[in-house]
Amino acid sequence: DAGVIQSPRHEVTEMGQEVTLRCKPISGHDYLFWYRQTMMRGLELLIYFNNNVPIDDSGMPEDRFSAKMPNASFSTLKIQPSEPRDSAVYFCASSQENEQFFGPGTRLTVL
Amino acid sequence: GENVEQHPSTLSVQEGDSAVIKCTYSDSASNYFPWYKQELGKRPQLIIDIRSNVGEKKDQRIAVTLNKTAKHFSLHITETQPEDSAVYFCAASINFGNEKLTFGTGTRLTIIP
Repeated sequence: DAGVIQSPRHEVTEMGQEVTLRCKPISGHDYLFWYRQTMMRGLELLIYFNNNVPIDDSGMPEDRFSAKMPNASFSTLKIQPSEPRDSAVYFCASSQENEQFFGPGTRLTVL
Repeated sequence: GENVEQHPSTLSVQEGDSAVIKCTYSDSASNYFPWYKQELGKRPQLIIDIRSNVGEKKDQRIAVTLNKTAKHFSLHITETQPEDSAVYFCAASINFGNEKLTFGTGTRLTIIP
């Protein structure tokens, strides 16, 4: 297995633009997690899914953030409209039997 | 909900010496405790984990100990090498069927050659 796949790896956009981050979990993993990492706030859990169903989205900072998992092999995290304070590295992770494996991350810069 | 505290936030040790990072957790129902290593610009990677039915686990130069009574667990790295320099995160999870991990705030370990 190729591991968790994320795209794009880097994204630079201007304030107000829509940003869509993509994730393909490891095949057979039934949990998927979205995290955000910054120097100031560390590693934050935004939302996670179990069998494609959102379980806990209490970490989503505000309504500008939304996440979907239309099937077991794909998830998106969307920010609309984006703001400079959204600049961070966004990680997707998938797990089975508690062991979480992280993707390479998407480094988002909002100008 | 679960709360995980991690200490110290930074740690510098001479190459060849040992390093110890400690974490405490609040929810006595937690039963899975992984440790992740994150090198600069890379993703967090699982390096070792322990489940609540075990008190200690070793993998070469790395070991983790768990004290369920005191609700704390520790990472021990022996014979440290420059490539051990990274940020280390501890985490805790309650049980199967709810695989959310609560992470500590991280320890930046620097190995001094």
